[in-house]
Amino acid sequence: QVQLVQSGAEVKKPGASVRVSCKASGYTFNTYDINWVRQATGQGLEWMGWMNPNNGNTGYAEKFQGRVTMTRNTSINTAYMELNSLRSEDTAVYFCARVSRMMNWFDPWGQGTLLTVSS
Amino acid sequence: DTQMTQSPSSLSASVGDRVTITCRASRSIRTYLNWYQQKPGKAPKLLISAASTLQSGVPSRFSGSGSGTDFTLTISSLQPEDFATYYCQQSYITPITFGQGTRLEIK
Repeated sequence: QVQLVQSGAEVKKPGASVRVSCKASGYTFNTYDINWVRQATGQGLEWMGWMNPNNGNTGYAEKFQGRVTMTRNTSINTAYMELNSLRSEDTAVYFCARVSRMMNWFDPWGQGTLLTVSS
Repeated sequence: DTQMTQSPSSLSASVGDRVTITCRASRSIRTYLNWYQQKPGKAPKLLISAASTLQSGVPSRFSGSGSGTDFTLTISSLQPEDFATYYCQQSYITPITFGQGTRLEIK
């Protein structure tokens, strides 16, 4: 079955960087975009950006421009999201999701990775 | 950015009730509207895509309608497992945006 499995929880200090991975299985990895969404505790869903695993093209939400990088390693069917210059407000659960080629719905989602930024 | 406004923000209902959640977009998004269900500690789950297409395995008590700027999610007869938070999402144009969520609670 189609599945996205993310890396485990992270604890980082302010100013540090984090890289979250998202390993895909059950489909041809480079044929569907991967998007990243985050959710602070008790809050709603915030879209961060997209990546095309076939060519590596990316697009980021303006809020994260200059601070986020989305990459992939096609040899191991894994997408990555790196966020730099972390601050306490980045504490959240980060999700990856596969994007439909038809009308861009997100399905499935990874299980989420909790990032805690604290000094 | 395309703003997505859901109402109500929270809702108390009983098992067996019919419930409707609305989602309004700040511009036309045609039928690029998706609904997700999220339970505590879990990832969102796609329920309905393209405004009205029920995903495989999703009970038929869920239905979606609308186009342009106004959309609805209806649960015809609430079951205990339906108590969760529901989000609409526009996937018409980047930045992709979500409604603020509707928390459905047991009365």
